[in-house]
Amino acid sequence: EVQLVESGGGLVQPGGSLRLSCAASGFTFSSYWMGWVRQAPGKGLEWVANIAPGGSDKYYVGSVKGRFTISRDNAENSLYLQMNSLRGEDSAIYSCARWGVTAGLDSWGQGTLVTVSS
Amino acid sequence: QSALTQPRSVSGSPGQSVTISCTGTSSDVGAYNYVSWYQQHPDKAPQLMIYEVSKRPSGVPNRFSGSKSGNTASLTISGLQAEDEADYYCCSNAGSHIYVFGTGTKVTVL
Repeated sequence: EVQLVESGGGLVQPGGSLRLSCAASGFTFSSYWMGWVRQAPGKGLEWVANIAPGGSDKYYVGSVKGRFTISRDNAENSLYLQMNSLRGEDSAIYSCARWGVTAGLDSWGQGTLVTVSS
Repeated sequence: QSALTQPRSVSGSPGQSVTISCTGTSSDVGAYNYVSWYQQHPDKAPQLMIYEVSKRPSGVPNRFSGSKSGNTASLTISGLQAEDEADYYCCSNAGSHIYVFGTGTKVTVL
């Protein structure tokens, strides 16, 4: 069974940093594109970033470029999101998800809440 | 990268059909056949319902169908059931592994 479990969320001040982690199990992690999607409380889904299976290719939504970095450790079956220069509008539940061979996000974690506030 | 436009809400009685539109541009929906749809129940993770415009993952009931015309994709739920009440989001490729979601639609079963 595919499992994705996020951790690392919390309360951080504007301008601060946070590193999110996603532990993957139940599939060959190193073979899949992975991504982060966020959802502000009561709002819609927003794609944040994608990373290729080998980790070399990375893509971001414009609003986080230069501030967020997606990475992965295939030996540890883990996905990461380093978030710097955080802003209030970055407050959301952040979920990691797997891009299946179907070109859709076919598995999702439950998410970790990030709150940016002074 | 502007969000794709969806109606805020649609509703229907059990057994009826409802259609949710997802309007983008010639740079996303109109350019690629990588449109997917997700169902999200309250406080639950989204579930993939349709991928590549019209394909259903295994386990998704065949009352869910997808299509696309020009810059607009659509999700149709035929034979609406109570458990279909949820939020639905479209998602489109917008070039080179960049993606954009729709604004979301709440489906209410009357």
